[in-house]
Amino acid sequence: DSGVTQTPKHLITATGQRVTLRCSPRSGDLSVYWYQQSLDQGLQFLIQYYNGEERAKGNILERFSAQQFPDLHSELNLSSLELGDSALYFCASSVDGGQGVKETQYFGPGTRLLVL
Amino acid sequence: KNEVEQSPQNLTAQEGEFITINCSYSVGISALHWLQQHPGGGIVSLFMLSSGKKKHGRLIATINIQEKHSSLHITASHPRDSAVYICAVRSNTDKLIFGTGTRLQVFP
Repeated sequence: DSGVTQTPKHLITATGQRVTLRCSPRSGDLSVYWYQQSLDQGLQFLIQYYNGEERAKGNILERFSAQQFPDLHSELNLSSLELGDSALYFCASSVDGGQGVKETQYFGPGTRLLVL
Repeated sequence: KNEVEQSPQNLTAQEGEFITINCSYSVGISALHWLQQHPGGGIVSLFMLSSGKKKHGRLIATINIQEKHSSLHITASHPRDSAVYICAVRSNTDKLIFGTGTRLQVFP
């Protein structure tokens, strides 16, 4: 158990809908990362938040947005869903946000999203 | 060409064999990660490197910054090492870039 929790574990929805994925980092971790893993593209970095602020941005679509709240939990919002958004979405956390030696990331179990 | 390349893509070994997985990258980086993804999907961070070498149990990771290359070694491999091993780099522009992974199967 990494200490990172993600809810829900599974989500089935229809095209055009909007969903929210939630992540609670390990106690004491200030950074939260979101990743998408689809069958055809492997792991892709979406976005990182550090202590409530956006720290780095990857290949995140405009239909997707994220935020980190004062209690450090994070939510990833996916809207206008398409079939191709079906994937495993991982959240990870780390103690600090940048290049320090403490940047080992701890991964949550993932949320499996299926868009029908 | 991908910015992070791993080889081999697939690897089969007999229990007890010494295994090496390679990772080459073409961007400037501040750190390199080796991750392990089990068949159930869970991801575990094995190492985070910015220079030199690290060892944890039967796993050894090395990085050569000048050559932009890292290796992950598994000594005395075991069937429970069967997993996908993923190399990821944190670029100097703070983006995290992943390799496509190496699928390892270790047979008894």
